[in-house]
Amino acid sequence: GDSVTQMEGPVTLSEEAFLTINCTYTATGYPSLFWYVQYPGEGLQLLLKATKADDKGSNKGFEATYRKETTSFHLEKGSVQVSDSAVYFCALSGAQGAQKLVFGQGTRLTINP
Amino acid sequence: GAVVSQHPSRVICKSGTSVKIECRSLDFQATTMFWYRQFPKQSLMLMATSNEGSKATYEQGVEKDKFLINHASLTLSTLTVTSAHPEDSSFYICSARSGTGPGHFGNGTRLTVT
Repeated sequence: GDSVTQMEGPVTLSEEAFLTINCTYTATGYPSLFWYVQYPGEGLQLLLKATKADDKGSNKGFEATYRKETTSFHLEKGSVQVSDSAVYFCALSGAQGAQKLVFGQGTRLTINP
Repeated sequence: GAVVSQHPSRVICKSGTSVKIECRSLDFQATTMFWYRQFPKQSLMLMATSNEGSKATYEQGVEKDKFLINHASLTLSTLTVTSAHPEDSSFYICSARSGTGPGHFGNGTRLTVT
């Protein structure tokens, strides 16, 4: 079945550092790919998405490119802030059927001032 | 943007009682709602998918008689945890959508069973 694998956390960085959180996936067909962010005690917020190969999703300085050849959707940000501290989930939605989301295990990110 | 309201945000109940969690789409009609469960420091696991007016489809390993899902209208779905036990303590999150796509998430409900 479909699956998503994220780099293990937790990840701790200093403010203004460069961030990469790796995400790879296994799926049949051409899934849509997503990054969600979860702040403490809250639900999930969609951060960005890409629906086809080579698409780049971007939002709030975060970017991720849909790479079909490497089945990856790595999240990057050039200069992180303390307010970026949260848990980040990579997810995919299958191309058919109920289009339910399959999540990676999440990566906890802590940014120190 | 689309808003999904989940209520309550926190609930504490005694073992053996039942708890109902509501998920409402406030500014759109949700033809499909998803219920997820999240254990501490872990990912979200889909419990069930419900379409308005029909029975929910449960994921493998989820007890349908324990986790009752009702999606009686296009703006409301409820999850009832029946005869709750401490191992049911978790963070429950709903997602609602209209048409295709992943949907919009509620803020979750933290259930603690004592």
